[in-house]
Amino acid sequence: AQSVAQPEDQVNVAEGNPLTVKCTYSVSGNPYLFWYVQYPNRGLQFLLKYITGDNLVKGSYGFEAEFNKSQTSFHLKKPSALVSDSALYFCAVRDVAGNTPLVFGKGTRLSVIA
Amino acid sequence: NAGVTQTPKFRVLKTGQSMTLLCAQDMNHEYMYWYRQDPGMGLRLIHYSVGEGTTAKGEVPDGYNVSRLKKQNFLLGLESAAPSQTSVYFCASSYLGPGDTQYFGPGTRLTVL
Repeated sequence: AQSVAQPEDQVNVAEGNPLTVKCTYSVSGNPYLFWYVQYPNRGLQFLLKYITGDNLVKGSYGFEAEFNKSQTSFHLKKPSALVSDSALYFCAVRDVAGNTPLVFGKGTRLSVIA
Repeated sequence: NAGVTQTPKFRVLKTGQSMTLLCAQDMNHEYMYWYRQDPGMGLRLIHYSVGEGTTAKGEVPDGYNVSRLKKQNFLLGLESAAPSQTSVYFCASSYLGPGDTQYFGPGTRLTVL
């Protein structure tokens, strides 16, 4: 079975500081990993994904994520947070093998304070 | 290019009533999905479709039915609504399978009294 955990319900960071939103996963084989962002009263928007190759993945709006196979993690990072980054962030995973659908985490609410 | 659209945006039902949510995509995507979003629960997959005329159950399919008669449309039906189905419903689509990027609609907020 595949699963994903986002251990923090809420992350608060000051504007201009680096931010990290944590994600750990469990799959039986190799993972496809995704980050999505949801702004208030909107649908989810794709930020970035890891399929294969370089462990550091760069995405939209200056976000990046590092795939760490030994720690089964895929943390989302940004060097300098903006107030406009405040949103709900979802990590998602699926096993490369098989035909199972994507599984989403419960989400982490990021608040960037001016 | 409208992307993924959902109809209606809001709906209030009484217990036992039925309704259909419509999802439409204009990107020629093969795969379509219906999720529900509840506070503290994240997104949970209700049903999905891997192509026109196909449907499959997701994580929480009970109380819902779906149909994919046309490639661009994916309908979610509630035959007898229950208060536990109060939620925000999102439709998504992807060109390839679940390993491909999914594009989401704006959501439908459903309240069942």
